[in-house]
Amino acid sequence: SQQGEEDPQALSIQEGENATMNCSYKTSINNLQWYRQNSGRGLVHLILIRSNEREKHSGRLRVTLDTSKKSSSLLITASRAADTASYFCATDEGYGQNFVFGPGTRLSVLP
Amino acid sequence: EAGVVQSPRYKIIEKKQPVAFWCNPISGHNTLYWYRQNLGQGPELLIRYENEEAVDDSQLPKDRFSAERLKGVDSTLKIQPAELGDSAVYLCASSLGAWREGVNEQFFGPGTRLTVL
Repeated sequence: SQQGEEDPQALSIQEGENATMNCSYKTSINNLQWYRQNSGRGLVHLILIRSNEREKHSGRLRVTLDTSKKSSSLLITASRAADTASYFCATDEGYGQNFVFGPGTRLSVLP
Repeated sequence: EAGVVQSPRYKIIEKKQPVAFWCNPISGHNTLYWYRQNLGQGPELLIRYENEEAVDDSQLPKDRFSAERLKGVDSTLKIQPAELGDSAVYLCASSLGAWREGVNEQFFGPGTRLTVL
């Protein structure tokens, strides 16, 4: 089963622009994580946000979490060609009983 | 520090043949995961180990899939016999703490791309 659903499925932007991806989930969670996957480095953890947090930053990444709407967003500012990848949200479904990835957003950053 | 190591990187077999994947997690990581990722989708958890104990194998198709983690370090995932629908990338990941202590960042290996003809 897939808990998180990313939106949009695919996104193309120009270098320097900001990219926003959204994730919705169904059940209660303890935390939500974002991962990036590209052919060069495989699947890499980006950021974890706990259910009692509303916003978190890491470099050019900004993640928000709205537990009332069961949604999260990932913002990448000043995008670079190297940001081209698939981005996945992952949640601990049912307060940690399982760990589920969404289908991902495929981001293309054009030079 | 070495990351999660998986082998082989690629495997092509005919249906009904057996296949095995090997994973060496990051040293000291107690929790080990096996995932299957189909093209264009996110990884799906197959089994999670805490040390040598399989604590969640609810998504593992037990009629043809088996896994083991001897001595709580390396792990192997086996499919016997393989079917056409098993073609996917099989990912191994590890994390430092036990699941019950809270979710930890997972470190993923490069995966094994399996093609079943």
